[in-house]
Amino acid sequence: GAVVSQHPSWVICKSGTSVKIECRSLDFQATTMFWYRQFPKQSLMLMATSNEGSKATYEQGVEKDKFLINHASLTLSTLTVTSAHPEDSSFYICSAPKAGIDQETQYFGPGTRLLVL
Amino acid sequence: AQTVTQSQPEMSVQEAETVTLSCTYDTSESDYYLFWYKQPPSRQMILVIRQEAYKQQNATENRFSVNFQKAAKSFSLKISDSQLGDAAMYFCAYRPTYNNNDMRFGAGTRLTVKP
Repeated sequence: GAVVSQHPSWVICKSGTSVKIECRSLDFQATTMFWYRQFPKQSLMLMATSNEGSKATYEQGVEKDKFLINHASLTLSTLTVTSAHPEDSSFYICSAPKAGIDQETQYFGPGTRLLVL
Repeated sequence: AQTVTQSQPEMSVQEAETVTLSCTYDTSESDYYLFWYKQPPSRQMILVIRQEAYKQQNATENRFSVNFQKAAKSFSLKISDSQLGDAAMYFCAYRPTYNNNDMRFGAGTRLTVKP
């Protein structure tokens, strides 16, 4: 199998606080993980690529100081939304391809719904 | 830049019938992967089917099959014997072989299955 988990599944926070979202590959190792953002009734937008042991790669327009990414191990990547504001409210999804074989397919986590008040 | 277009925002099918979801893409690459993902109300993205561009044979997975037309850059998904559980958003996605970071998604098609 290829199971990816995310924690928390949903979070409500006050404006100005920071929120950390974890993405874990449960039964495989992932040297790379991807973070997406999805607005209601819209498609997935790639925010950044998380690389184990090195800096994350951010897509154009995504603030790296706002969305801190740390790929601490071969099974864990975290996304921290710093000084969150209401406009950061969204659905955040991570994905990972398996290291080694079957790198072509990305396996997705269940997503984290963030609401900033 | 590669783009993925799903021209049908919404589709509807009667239970047990067949439905085809359209997807076209634009690329200058000759080697790439195409995917269909399903996103049910739970919002968990689930891989439905995958196609390698170098393979001429259309991929199939049980009731799901694709019609891959490389020259036309078309990648439609056919769902046979539709079931109520097939109701979801369906996203077509493209990824060049050389770059796992460059996965592009279409806007999605919302499929409704009528009992």
